[in-house]
Amino acid sequence: DAGITQSPRHKVTETGTPVTLRCHQTENHRYMYWYRQDPGHGLRLIHYSYGVKDTDKGEVSDGYSVSRSKTEDFLLTLESATSSQTSVYFCAISQGLDYGYTFGSGTRLTVV
Amino acid sequence: DAKTTQPPSMDCAEGRAANLPCNHSTISGNEYVYWYRQIHSQGPQYIIHGLKNNETNEMASLIITEDRKSSTLILPHATLRDTAVYYCIATPVGGSEKLVFGKGTKLTVNP
Repeated sequence: DAGITQSPRHKVTETGTPVTLRCHQTENHRYMYWYRQDPGHGLRLIHYSYGVKDTDKGEVSDGYSVSRSKTEDFLLTLESATSSQTSVYFCAISQGLDYGYTFGSGTRLTVV
Repeated sequence: DAKTTQPPSMDCAEGRAANLPCNHSTISGNEYVYWYRQIHSQGPQYIIHGLKNNETNEMASLIITEDRKSSTLILPHATLRDTAVYYCIATPVGGSEKLVFGKGTKLTVNP
């Protein structure tokens, strides 16, 4: 989608290794979100940010950390990847709920 | 956030209107109703949202009952490209500004 990019698009990593996923926006939106999507669970919120250095936990935050040192970048880190973190990860941006979210194209992460 | 209930799946003929229902009987006065859809493995796409008045945009119409306990998303002339999972979400604006997705309705548009 225009204005939001996720990297990498695909990644295979080994159990126990650290992994960082990047979400970059060019829209200068205040809010950024990380979701994961798994079969049978739908989209679940991991962490979100409402400004630089302002972040909060979502419903499935265990095993994940985030950082937002610049408005345009929101990083999701798996400190020690586990097989249960194999998933598709989506980033979203928003000016606020009155404007709707814009989602990225997703990162497919496989932990072997 | 109010819980929403949607049928797991629906079918619609191409060219006909698709009417997707959503029940949100515990919705509170400051909660909006949002609709998103997700086509295959793409990221979800915002469709429309409303508080209590009916809303229409270039994609769809949103009809909210007077008691606000349910709503219907209407795609007036469904195409094959409208085949997707549709999510109905109720959440307040101006709070934590986050959306919690349920399992949605898988809409299949048939030729």
